[in-house]
Amino acid sequence: DAKTTQPNSMESNEEEPVHLPCNHSTISGTDYIHWYRQLPSQGPEYVIHGLTSNVNNRMASLAIAEDRKSSTLILHRATLRDAAVYYCILRDRTSGNTPLVFGKGTRLSVIA
Amino acid sequence: EAGVTQFPSHSVIEKGQTVTLRCDPISGHDNLYWYRRVMGKEIKFLLHFVKESKQDESGMPNNRFLAERTGGTYSTLKVQPAELEDSGVYFCASSQDRSGLTNTGELFFGEGSRLTVL
Repeated sequence: DAKTTQPNSMESNEEEPVHLPCNHSTISGTDYIHWYRQLPSQGPEYVIHGLTSNVNNRMASLAIAEDRKSSTLILHRATLRDAAVYYCILRDRTSGNTPLVFGKGTRLSVIA
Repeated sequence: EAGVTQFPSHSVIEKGQTVTLRCDPISGHDNLYWYRRVMGKEIKFLLHFVKESKQDESGMPNNRFLAERTGGTYSTLKVQPAELEDSGVYFCASSQDRSGLTNTGELFFGEGSRLTVL
């Protein structure tokens, strides 16, 4: 799987939007962009994924650059519960069952 | 619907002893994955089952680790004999079979089994 680059940490105030960036300059045409997060003392959980178009769900939005070499996870209103490590992961869509490969992720702190 | 469950949540053993971790995936999920996170390190893939078959065991650190998934339902991961460096959190995840589909399936993770080797 192609590698991703994320900032080690970010900080946000509660109830403000958060933009978590991810660079994936070596992404291939068959890679989906996945985001997972790991809350303290829990297993990772799925957040969102996309291929080319921007995506929205109840948890977040995913903005994908036109050249697909970067993406941004957007939390519209950060809450204390959103404090977690966020992982941006590429996954080949032609092999639907391949394991996820985790990097270091971005540790998001939310300040009340 | 029950999620992925792991047992035990925490195990403390002495070096040289044996520990067996268990994972019950979501019912109907053919894919089962084991991962671990050693203190201060990234989450690392260990192996992947499709039903009862080992699809990919490239992440297994050495032959002290044995994973099984008899009958394609729950899985066990045995460490024998345990060493100090085996301490960490072991995560299990499951997903539906997406073979032949051009979309990737979400992985559902358990809360992990914390292993402490003294």
